[in-house]
Amino acid sequence: EAQVTQNPRYLITVTGKKLTVTCSQNMNHEYMSWYRQDPGLGLRQIYYSMNVEVTDKGDVPEGYKVSRKEKRNFPLILESPSPNQTSLYFCASSFSGASNTGELFFGEGSRLTVL
Amino acid sequence: GQQVMQIPQYQHVQEGEDFTTYCNSSTTLSNIQWYKQRPGGHPVFLIQLVKSGEVKKQKRLTFQFGEAKKNSSLHITATQTTDVGTYFCAGPSRGGSNYKLTFGKGTLLTVNP
Repeated sequence: EAQVTQNPRYLITVTGKKLTVTCSQNMNHEYMSWYRQDPGLGLRQIYYSMNVEVTDKGDVPEGYKVSRKEKRNFPLILESPSPNQTSLYFCASSFSGASNTGELFFGEGSRLTVL
Repeated sequence: GQQVMQIPQYQHVQEGEDFTTYCNSSTTLSNIQWYKQRPGGHPVFLIQLVKSGEVKKQKRLTFQFGEAKKNSSLHITATQTTDVGTYFCAGPSRGGSNYKLTFGKGTLLTVNP
């Protein structure tokens, strides 16, 4: 089954404790992206990757890091989480490598709470 | 940077009524996508529009892309309770990488049975 898998789905952590949210897709997609969703603010892009070893900042990259060492994986790293990073995070992937972004497939989401 | 604005933010309708959400971009878009997110779920792709003035239909849903490719709309005819959710439009940014997909804030649709 074609899917985007995120882990963990739920996490409560404390300020400053490094954490990683993993994302894996089994569709051989080139494009992957992370979004955060907050009430009233919609979906905001954090980072995206057009291919292996190619990443770029989205609209809200502060406090986050990503890596794309393999095509299927795109982990989101919070080196020193803060309460303002409490949010619902979505990973998404797309096949398109052309100028027109293709259909985005989203993971189930990871709800993160930073105390 | 590019902004994608959606209105209304909320819409409550009686079952059977029509519903429309509008999306406006501050820049010309090469394409626009629409997604639906059910309560507690994740966004799911509905459609992509590419051509100026394009109109596409999916059963009771009608999608339009403006002639200037700066606005779009989603119209649902005779809403049903299964239509409940948040509808997002999204467009790639211009003047940089086209992979920076910007979402509108969404329209939350609730349907009273």
